[in-house]
Amino acid sequence: EAGVAQSPRYKIIEKRQSVAFWCNPISGHATLYWYQQILGQGPKLLIQFQNNGVVDDSQLPKDRFSAERLKGVDSTLKIQPAKLEDSAVYLCASSSAGGRGRALETQYFGPGTRLLVL
Amino acid sequence: KQEVTQIPAALSVPEGENLVLNCSFTDSAIYNLQWFRQDPGKGLTSLLLIQSSQREQTSGRLNASLDKSSGRSTLYIAASQPGDSATYLCAVNRDDKIIFGKGTRLHILP
Repeated sequence: EAGVAQSPRYKIIEKRQSVAFWCNPISGHATLYWYQQILGQGPKLLIQFQNNGVVDDSQLPKDRFSAERLKGVDSTLKIQPAKLEDSAVYLCASSSAGGRGRALETQYFGPGTRLLVL
Repeated sequence: KQEVTQIPAALSVPEGENLVLNCSFTDSAIYNLQWFRQDPGKGLTSLLLIQSSQREQTSGRLNASLDKSSGRSTLYIAASQPGDSATYLCAVNRDDKIIFGKGTRLHILP
Protein backbone atom coordinates (compact mmCIF):
# COMPACT_ATOMS: atom_id res chain seq x y z
CA GLU A 1 0.00 0.00 0.00
CA ALA A 2 1.44 3.35 -1.04
CA GLY A 3 1.84 5.87 1.75
CA VAL A 4 1.00 9.56 1.94
CA ALA A 5 2.96 11.51 -0.66
CA GLN A 6 4.04 15.12 -0.28
CA SER A 7 5.96 17.52 -2.47
CA PRO A 8 8.22 19.33 -2.52
CA ARG A 9 10.34 17.91 0.28
CA TYR A 10 12.21 21.17 0.80
CA LYS A 11 11.50 24.78 -0.08
CA ILE A 12 13.43 27.97 0.57
CA ILE A 13 11.74 31.29 -0.13
CA GLU A 14 12.07 34.91 0.88
CA LYS A 15 9.52 36.59 3.10
CA ARG A 16 6.48 38.00 1.33
CA GLN A 17 6.78 35.35 -1.41
CA SER A 18 4.13 32.72 -2.01
CA VAL A 19 4.50 28.96 -1.69
CA ALA A 20 2.30 25.92 -2.22
CA PHE A 21 2.53 22.38 -0.91
CA TRP A 22 0.87 19.31 -2.34
CA CYS A 23 -0.39 16.15 -0.63
CA ASN A 24 -1.73 12.89 -2.02
CA PRO A 25 -3.32 10.77 0.74
CA ILE A 26 -3.59 7.02 0.92
CA SER A 27 -6.13 5.78 -1.59
CA GLY A 28 -9.61 5.57 -0.10
CA HIS A 29 -8.85 7.69 2.97
CA ALA A 30 -11.68 10.15 3.49
CA THR A 31 -9.98 12.35 6.07
CA LEU A 32 -6.97 14.53 5.34
CA TYR A 33 -5.04 16.70 7.79
CA TRP A 34 -2.44 19.46 7.42
CA TYR A 35 -0.16 20.10 10.38
CA GLN A 36 2.52 22.69 11.06
CA GLN A 37 5.50 21.53 13.12
CA ILE A 38 7.89 24.22 14.31
CA LEU A 39 11.33 23.03 15.39
CA GLY A 40 11.19 21.57 18.91
CA GLN A 41 7.40 21.53 19.02
CA GLY A 42 4.74 18.94 18.41
CA PRO A 43 2.62 19.16 15.26
CA LYS A 44 -0.22 21.69 15.34
CA LEU A 45 -3.35 20.97 13.32
CA LEU A 46 -3.99 23.62 10.69
CA ILE A 47 -6.94 22.16 8.82
CA GLN A 48 -8.89 18.91 8.60
CA PHE A 49 -10.91 17.77 5.57
CA GLN A 50 -13.58 15.10 5.47
CA ASN A 51 -13.79 14.22 1.76
CA ASN A 52 -13.76 17.69 0.18
CA GLY A 53 -15.41 19.52 3.08
CA VAL A 54 -13.63 21.36 5.89
CA VAL A 55 -14.20 19.86 9.35
CA ASP A 56 -11.88 22.11 11.35
CA ASP A 57 -9.82 25.10 10.30
CA SER A 58 -9.89 26.97 13.60
CA GLN A 59 -6.08 27.17 13.83
CA LEU A 60 -5.47 28.13 10.22
CA PRO A 61 -4.20 31.74 9.84
CA LYS A 62 -6.74 32.56 7.19
CA ASP A 63 -5.27 35.94 6.32
CA ARG A 64 -2.31 34.20 4.68
CA PHE A 65 -2.97 30.45 4.60
CA SER A 66 -5.45 28.66 2.38
CA ALA A 67 -6.10 25.03 1.59
CA GLU A 68 -8.32 23.09 -0.71
CA ARG A 69 -9.12 19.47 -1.44
CA LEU A 70 -10.74 19.31 -4.81
CA LYS A 71 -12.62 16.08 -5.61
CA GLY A 72 -11.88 14.80 -2.12
CA VAL A 73 -8.49 13.35 -2.99
CA ASP A 74 -5.36 15.50 -3.37
CA SER A 75 -4.90 18.65 -1.36
CA THR A 76 -2.86 21.82 -1.63
CA LEU A 77 -1.83 24.19 1.15
CA LYS A 78 -0.80 27.71 0.18
CA ILE A 79 0.89 30.51 2.06
CA GLN A 80 0.66 34.02 0.64
CA PRO A 81 2.58 36.07 1.67
CA ALA A 82 5.03 34.07 3.78
CA LYS A 83 6.51 35.38 7.03
CA LEU A 84 9.68 34.38 8.83
CA GLU A 85 7.67 32.59 11.52
CA ASP A 86 6.17 30.28 8.90
CA SER A 87 9.48 28.38 8.77
CA ALA A 88 8.48 24.86 9.81
CA VAL A 89 7.79 21.37 8.57
CA TYR A 90 4.34 20.99 7.03
CA LEU A 91 2.97 17.50 7.52
CA CYS A 92 0.08 15.93 5.71
CA ALA A 93 -1.75 12.93 7.18
CA SER A 94 -4.75 10.86 6.22
CA SER A 95 -7.04 8.38 7.92
CA SER A 96 -9.92 6.15 6.88
CA ALA A 97 -12.36 7.61 9.39
CA GLY A 98 -12.99 10.84 11.18
CA GLY A 99 -15.48 13.64 11.34
CA ARG A 100 -16.92 15.41 14.30
CA GLY A 101 -17.21 13.45 17.47
CA ARG A 102 -15.67 10.30 16.07
CA ALA A 103 -12.91 8.42 17.79
CA LEU A 104 -9.56 8.98 16.16
CA GLU A 105 -8.35 6.19 13.98
CA THR A 106 -4.72 5.78 13.16
CA GLN A 107 -3.38 8.62 11.07
CA TYR A 108 -0.76 7.94 8.42
CA PHE A 109 1.74 10.73 7.90
CA GLY A 110 3.71 11.81 4.87
CA PRO A 111 7.41 12.76 5.07
CA GLY A 112 6.61 16.46 5.30
CA THR A 113 7.73 19.58 3.47
CA ARG A 114 10.47 21.55 5.21
CA LEU A 115 9.96 25.28 4.59
CA LEU A 116 12.57 27.92 5.29
CA VAL A 117 11.56 31.56 4.97
CA LEU A 118 14.49 34.02 4.75
CA LYS B 1 -7.88 24.32 26.98
CA GLN B 2 -6.22 20.94 26.57
CA GLU B 3 -2.48 20.90 27.18
CA VAL B 4 -0.22 17.92 26.67
CA THR B 5 3.12 17.70 28.46
CA GLN B 6 5.87 15.16 27.91
CA ILE B 7 8.61 14.52 30.40
CA PRO B 8 11.54 14.27 30.01
CA ALA B 9 12.23 16.42 26.97
CA ALA B 10 15.32 14.33 26.22
CA LEU B 11 16.67 11.03 27.48
CA SER B 12 19.85 9.02 26.89
CA VAL B 13 20.11 5.44 28.11
CA PRO B 14 22.50 2.53 27.46
CA GLU B 15 21.40 -0.17 25.08
CA GLY B 16 19.47 -2.99 26.71
CA GLU B 17 17.83 -0.95 29.44
CA ASN B 18 14.10 -0.69 29.96
CA LEU B 19 12.71 2.84 29.96
CA VAL B 20 9.52 4.82 30.50
CA LEU B 21 8.34 7.93 28.72
CA ASN B 22 5.64 10.06 30.31
CA CYS B 23 2.75 12.03 28.91
CA SER B 24 0.23 14.08 30.89
CA PHE B 25 -2.85 15.97 29.76
CA THR B 26 -4.98 18.54 31.54
CA ASP B 27 -8.46 17.58 30.34
CA SER B 28 -9.34 13.95 31.07
CA ALA B 29 -12.37 13.96 28.74
CA ILE B 30 -10.58 12.45 25.78
CA TYR B 31 -11.66 9.94 23.16
CA ASN B 32 -8.27 8.30 22.92
CA LEU B 33 -4.53 8.77 23.10
CA GLN B 34 -1.90 7.82 20.57
CA TRP B 35 1.87 7.43 20.72
CA PHE B 36 3.94 8.28 17.65
CA ARG B 37 7.57 7.95 16.66
CA GLN B 38 9.32 10.59 14.56
CA ASP B 39 12.72 10.05 12.98
CA PRO B 40 14.80 13.10 11.94
CA GLY B 41 13.57 14.64 8.70
CA LYS B 42 10.63 12.25 8.47
CA GLY B 43 6.96 12.12 9.23
CA LEU B 44 5.29 10.43 12.18
CA THR B 45 4.71 6.72 12.55
CA SER B 46 1.86 5.53 14.75
CA LEU B 47 3.02 3.12 17.47
CA LEU B 48 0.01 2.53 19.70
CA LEU B 49 -3.52 3.90 20.01
CA ILE B 50 -5.42 3.54 23.29
CA GLN B 51 -9.16 4.15 23.33
CA SER B 52 -10.56 5.96 26.36
CA SER B 53 -12.16 2.74 27.63
CA GLN B 54 -8.86 0.85 27.55
CA ARG B 55 -6.06 0.87 30.07
CA GLU B 56 -3.18 -0.38 27.97
CA GLN B 57 -2.00 -1.53 24.57
CA THR B 58 1.01 -3.65 23.67
CA SER B 59 3.01 -4.08 20.49
CA GLY B 60 6.21 -6.07 20.62
CA ARG B 61 8.60 -4.41 23.06
CA LEU B 62 6.28 -1.43 23.51
CA ASN B 63 3.56 -1.09 26.12
CA ALA B 64 1.42 2.00 26.55
CA SER B 65 -0.82 2.59 29.54
CA LEU B 66 -3.59 5.11 30.05
CA ASP B 67 -4.98 6.48 33.31
CA LYS B 68 -7.61 8.85 32.06
CA SER B 69 -8.81 9.98 35.47
CA SER B 70 -5.36 11.24 36.43
CA GLY B 71 -4.54 12.52 32.96
CA ARG B 72 -1.49 10.33 32.43
CA SER B 73 -0.06 7.90 29.94
CA THR B 74 3.24 6.07 29.87
CA LEU B 75 5.14 4.40 27.06
CA TYR B 76 7.31 1.54 28.26
CA ILE B 77 10.11 0.32 25.99
CA ALA B 78 11.70 -2.98 26.95
CA ALA B 79 15.27 -3.99 26.12
CA SER B 80 16.06 -0.78 24.27
CA GLN B 81 18.05 -0.89 21.02
CA PRO B 82 19.99 1.79 19.11
CA GLY B 83 17.25 1.67 16.45
CA ASP B 84 14.81 2.97 19.05
CA SER B 85 16.55 6.35 18.95
CA ALA B 86 13.94 8.88 17.77
CA THR B 87 11.50 11.46 19.09
CA TYR B 88 8.38 10.02 20.71
CA LEU B 89 5.19 12.09 20.67
CA CYS B 90 1.88 11.53 22.37
CA ALA B 91 -1.36 13.01 21.11
CA VAL B 92 -4.83 13.19 22.64
CA ASN B 93 -8.13 13.48 20.82
CA ARG B 94 -11.25 15.20 22.09
CA ASP B 95 -14.08 16.66 20.05
CA ASP B 96 -12.08 15.70 16.99
CA LYS B 97 -9.30 18.09 18.01
CA ILE B 98 -5.92 16.44 18.13
CA ILE B 99 -3.36 17.95 20.50
CA PHE B 100 0.27 16.83 20.46
CA GLY B 101 2.90 17.09 23.14
CA LYS B 102 6.34 18.46 22.29
CA GLY B 103 7.90 15.02 22.37
CA THR B 104 10.72 13.22 24.13
CA ARG B 105 14.01 12.89 22.21
CA LEU B 106 15.36 9.44 22.99
CA HIS B 107 18.96 8.41 22.36
CA ILE B 108 20.02 4.82 22.95
CA LEU B 109 23.74 4.52 23.53
CA PRO B 110 25.38 1.49 21.84
